[in-house]
Amino acid sequence: KAGVTQTPRYLIKTRGQQVTLSCSPISGHRSVSWYQQTPGQGLQFLFEYFSETQRNKGNFPGRFSGRQFSNSRSEMNVSTLELGDSALYLCASKSLLEGTDTQYFGPGTRLTVL
Amino acid sequence: AQSVTQLGSHVSVSEGALVLLRCNYSSSVPPYLFWYVQYPNQGLQLLLKYTSAATLVKGINGFEAEFKKSETSFHLTKPSAHMSDAAEYFCAVTPGYSSASKIIFGSGTRLSIRP
Repeated sequence: KAGVTQTPRYLIKTRGQQVTLSCSPISGHRSVSWYQQTPGQGLQFLFEYFSETQRNKGNFPGRFSGRQFSNSRSEMNVSTLELGDSALYLCASKSLLEGTDTQYFGPGTRLTVL
Repeated sequence: AQSVTQLGSHVSVSEGALVLLRCNYSSSVPPYLFWYVQYPNQGLQLLLKYTSAATLVKGINGFEAEFKKSETSFHLTKPSAHMSDAAEYFCAVTPGYSSASKIIFGSGTRLSIRP
């Protein structure tokens, strides 16, 4: 079974631009979560989507948004990029049928904001 | 509310020595606990998980962890370190009763292996 895939793997943007990151979960997984990882703040939860609905949300400004499609693929959008948005963005999927909240992570998208 | 504390942001051991990475948790309900490993420029890989079955959990790559409720701990150990174990390790917790709750990660421990 293929793992979680994220595209693109690397991205360079400038301040003020917007960016869209994509995540394809493991086949059959309907929950997708997004995390931001930085050296200073560590792993921070952004949001979780399940069946196209946002189910949980972290403490990030409204510039960070996401959505999930009917095939469970998810996109994350960051508008008006700031230097501090430079980070590794990780996507994780899980199967609620497992009942253990085990999350499976993708390789991440490294975003650099100049 | 739940939280995780990883003691020691950086641990260094010699190759062949015991690896011990500490994790203490706080949870108002029975928790599920996880250890993940992250290699440079990669995502997180699940090492092992505790889900209220056996308190001693064995994972991949020779790692194991023991759930100790009285100490609210879930320390990760490996009897003999290998150079390939050098990575960052994250402990995480979720409430065991609900799959709708978000997972809480610790701040991570970077493990270095000396030749």
